[in-house]
Amino acid sequence: NAGVTQTPKFQVLKTGQSMTLQCAQDMNHEYMSWYRQDPGMGLRLIHYSVGAGITDQGEVPNGYNVSRSTTEDFPLRLLSAAPSQTSVYFCASSYPAFGGLYGYTFGSGTRLTVV
Amino acid sequence: GESVGLHLPTLSVQEGDNSIINCAYSNSASDYFIWYKQESGKGPQFIIDIRSNMDKRQGQRVTVLLNKTVKHLSLQIAATQPGDSAVYFCAENLGSGGSNYKLTFGKGTLLTVNP
Repeated sequence: NAGVTQTPKFQVLKTGQSMTLQCAQDMNHEYMSWYRQDPGMGLRLIHYSVGAGITDQGEVPNGYNVSRSTTEDFPLRLLSAAPSQTSVYFCASSYPAFGGLYGYTFGSGTRLTVV
Repeated sequence: GESVGLHLPTLSVQEGDNSIINCAYSNSASDYFIWYKQESGKGPQFIIDIRSNMDKRQGQRVTVLLNKTVKHLSLQIAATQPGDSAVYFCAENLGSGGSNYKLTFGKGTLLTVNP
């Protein structure tokens, strides 16, 4: 049971390049989400998914796309990287219980630098 | 202490002392709260959670107190150890009775334990 696995751990991109950050979980969690974390700030929600085939925008969705074709995977795509997207990205998964979320588990993060 | 939207505060304690980290949450309708610990270079790690129908919950060396009247949450760590040094985040969720699957995070408190 690996939990939430993110790849790559580090990435450097040039402005304008595109790439996909991978996230996979093996806990059969319905809910998955992507956050970014910038220095001195908390985590901000980018996109989330409440199940396969269902995605929605979070607080800071511009410049990012997601899809959820399987329960296990939730990739995050940067369409055209910008220096403002330099950040640490975290994927998380959880399952619904008691009308809300439970068991919220984070991956170890992807540190992205856009030059 | 900590409040969503404020500068990252710091707390420095001596090894063996008790630590209290505070959090003021924003939404009176939030009914599920989580404390996370984040060590340098790692993803947030679940510590303890509490639902709004409780005012206290205890774990191993940690206690979370919830005061809904003033929208305040605190994390108490007993006999603080050097390994407890990290950034601590509180998060709130509007789970009850709806489909809100978002966690809203505070900006964190940096706890430093001096040996």
